[in-house]
Amino acid sequence: AQSVTQLGSHVSVSEGALVLLRCNYSSSVPPYLSWYVQYPNQGLQLLLKYTSAATLVKGINGFEAEFKKSETSFHLTKPSAHMSDAAEYFCAVRYSGAGSYQLTFGKGTKLSVIP
Amino acid sequence: DGGITQSPKYLFRKEGQNVTLSCEQNLNHDAMYWYRQDPGQGLRLIYYSQIVNDFQKGDIAEGYSVSREKKESFPLTVTSAQKNPTAFYLCASSLKGGVDTQYFGPGTRLTVL
Repeated sequence: AQSVTQLGSHVSVSEGALVLLRCNYSSSVPPYLSWYVQYPNQGLQLLLKYTSAATLVKGINGFEAEFKKSETSFHLTKPSAHMSDAAEYFCAVRYSGAGSYQLTFGKGTKLSVIP
Repeated sequence: DGGITQSPKYLFRKEGQNVTLSCEQNLNHDAMYWYRQDPGQGLRLIYYSQIVNDFQKGDIAEGYSVSREKKESFPLTVTSAQKNPTAFYLCASSLKGGVDTQYFGPGTRLTVL
């Protein structure tokens, strides 16, 4: 079965430090990739998505992600963490073929920002 | 102000009772989705609908039912057959299906006592 793996269920960074959240997918065919953010007891909000136009994708709130086919990865980064970035982040993948309307979500990474 | 509304925010039910969660969107989207979220599990697809009067099962449809009689509404019923219904339920919609961005509602937290 196709899957998406987020390494690290919980990541802590200091305010102002680099944020790196990891996402790997399992397919030889580049899928549709996206990152969502969820604040406590709220729905999900799209941060960014890969559309094959460029391997480096810029999103909202200063986040960006780079698609690396050779590594089957789509890691999320932000140069300088802010307290307001504390939330849970989900990588989502849509694979082509049967069931292509379905998004497969990773299990999430909870980001804590230390003052 | 366009968006997706889910009601209620919190819902409590006794074991063995059916309960219906509301999802309404005024974005004029064709496709709608229901997800279940459990701590540390990510989101899992329950049902989705690409068009009015049509819907398909997702990965965990057992114990759930849906209807899509109107474009803007996609209610989810959690039946007594669902073994572990306590969870956070999220509704989403997209313009069409495929690679269109999914927009999420605020969620309903269901607790079965």
